[in-house]
Amino acid sequence: KAGVTQTPRYLIKTRGQQVTLSCSPISGHRSVSWYQQTPGQGLQFLFEYFSETQRNKGNFPGRFSGRQFSNSRSEMNVSTLELGDSALYLCASSLALVSGELFFGEGSRLTVL
Amino acid sequence: AQTVTQSQPEMSVQEAETVTLSCTYDTSESNYYLFWYKQPPSRQMILVIRQEAYKQQNATENRFSVNFQKAAKSFSLKISDSQLGDTAMYFCAFIPSGGSNYKLTFGKGTLLTVNP
Repeated sequence: KAGVTQTPRYLIKTRGQQVTLSCSPISGHRSVSWYQQTPGQGLQFLFEYFSETQRNKGNFPGRFSGRQFSNSRSEMNVSTLELGDSALYLCASSLALVSGELFFGEGSRLTVL
Repeated sequence: AQTVTQSQPEMSVQEAETVTLSCTYDTSESNYYLFWYKQPPSRQMILVIRQEAYKQQNATENRFSVNFQKAAKSFSLKISDSQLGDTAMYFCAFIPSGGSNYKLTFGKGTLLTVNP
């Protein structure tokens, strides 16, 4: 069974640009969560989607957005990039999230110059 | 709002020895799940162990066990017979059961180094 796949794995952008990250969950998993990981702040919750609906959103500015498609694949977008957006963005999938067991991808490492 | 605190940013242990990682949490919920996740260097995060708050018995997974003290809101992870492959960042996490929270709250992590 294939794991959670995130693309791209690494990317470098400049301030003001935008970026789109993609996540393909484990087959059959309908819940997809996104987290931002930085050395100073640790893991911070961005959003969670289930069956194309955003069920929860973290405390991030509106520049951070996401969506989920009918095949459960998810994308997140960050517009008008700032230096502080440099981070590892982790995607995790689960069957329903209620039990909290997440299966993580390897992450997309974003560097903003 | 829930918070999870890991008071030990870094720890080290000798191979084959036992180490305990601490975690405390704050919540007004009565039913919830607690987890320990492991993130090896440059590898993906995986679930180590899970505890359901309504279960008094501490969870165990091979060399990994927890000490769950609900009244004290404490959830420590004990690793026995430490191995080099246990070197990783360990995160404690919490989620209320039921309801509409739909997110895990993580602690800031403890970097564990197992020395040969």
